[in-house]
Amino acid sequence: SAVISQKPSRDICQRGTSLTIQCQVDSQVTMMFWYRQQPGQSLTLIATANQGSEATYESGFVIDKFPISRPNLTFSTLTVSNMSPEDSSIYLCSAGRWGNTGELFFGEGSRLTVL
Amino acid sequence: AQSVTQLDSHVSVSEGTPVLLRCNYSSSYSPSLFWYVQHPNKGLQLLLKYTSAATLVKGINGFEAEFKKSETSFHLTKPSAHMSDAAEYFCVVRRNTGTASKLTFGTGTRLQVTL
Repeated sequence: SAVISQKPSRDICQRGTSLTIQCQVDSQVTMMFWYRQQPGQSLTLIATANQGSEATYESGFVIDKFPISRPNLTFSTLTVSNMSPEDSSIYLCSAGRWGNTGELFFGEGSRLTVL
Repeated sequence: AQSVTQLDSHVSVSEGTPVLLRCNYSSSYSPSLFWYVQHPNKGLQLLLKYTSAATLVKGINGFEAEFKKSETSFHLTKPSAHMSDAAEYFCVVRRNTGTASKLTFGTGTRLQVTL
């Protein structure tokens, strides 16, 4: 298994500002992903965080809005840029190892409220 | 494309009675399927997974699920509900894209357990 730590766990932000969320995994993993969970909704994949290269974004998500870094196998950041109230969500980091059954482990999430 | 449909957005049961959370999947080939649970203000926890081995899968906390190809279903059951089972449950399908292994989440079922 893998233990995933995210910070901040929650924050209240002003419109137009940016916030960076950090994700640290306690062991080496192959895959890291960022998900968004809007209030009362399911999880939507934002992007795959690729080590040492640009993230791979899902349809509807762009790098300018959600820049992602992954400098090594166990650490990644997600920035939510130029925030608006519509960005109020829980952002979750997940990680797993390629070659196993595809199981992913999740952090507890970062709950952002944009005023 | 792989997808899952959770047939009930909300299920309410009495403590000590059976739990049934329904999930149908769509996949062009044999899928990998998972059930995750999310307790309030907590991260996601894997309950169980199906990866083309035994069709009846046993998970944690007394939950199990049966993969039925003829019905394209993967329903989650538990013989006797406990108050601590109250949470959001997500049926999830794994899709493989190149070297990545991405999860697609269902819309979730909120389980309420009453005395």
